[in-house]
Amino acid sequence: SAVISQKPSRDICQRGTSLTIQCQVDSQVTMMFWYRQQPGQSLTLIATANQGSEATYESGFVIDKFPISRPNLTFSTLTVSNMSPEDSSIYLCSAGTGGPPYEQYFGPGTRLTVT
Amino acid sequence: AQSVTQPDIHITVSEGASLELRCNYSYGATPYLFWYVQSPGQGLQLLLKYFSGDTLVQGIKGFEAEFKRSQSSFNLRKPSVHWSDAAEYFCAVVPHTGTASKLTFGTGTRLQVTL
Repeated sequence: SAVISQKPSRDICQRGTSLTIQCQVDSQVTMMFWYRQQPGQSLTLIATANQGSEATYESGFVIDKFPISRPNLTFSTLTVSNMSPEDSSIYLCSAGTGGPPYEQYFGPGTRLTVT
Repeated sequence: AQSVTQPDIHITVSEGASLELRCNYSYGATPYLFWYVQSPGQGLQLLLKYFSGDTLVQGIKGFEAEFKRSQSSFNLRKPSVHWSDAAEYFCAVVPHTGTASKLTFGTGTRLQVTL
């Protein structure tokens, strides 16, 4: 298993600004993932972040809006850029262990409110 | 289209009663199957998974799930529910294609436990 921490746990931001969310894993993992959970909804994969390569984005998500960094095997960041109220969600990162298929272990999430 | 379905949006059970949460999938080949639980304000915790082999899978917190190929189902069960089990439960799948890493979630079932 893996233990994941995220910072910040929550934030309230103004529209047009950007927020960077940090995700730290307690062990080295190849695969990290970023998800969005809109209010009252399920989780949707934003992108997969492998160390040493560009992140792979899912349909509907673009790098300009959600740039991701993966500088090493224990850390990743997701930036939510030029925010609008529609970006208000919980953002979760996960680490994939074993695999493929990977068991994914999730962080506690970052609750973002955009006003 | 490929999908994972949780037919029950909300279930209420009495403490001590048995529980079954339904999950159905629609994929050409049986995907890898997972159940996660999300307690209020928390991240997701992996309860159990099925990759192959014995179709009855034991997980944490007294949960088990049974894979039924003929019904394309992976239902979660618990013989006696505790008040602390109140949470949102997500069935998730990873298809046997590509990198076998993309986790797709069902819409979730919210469990309420009455005392």
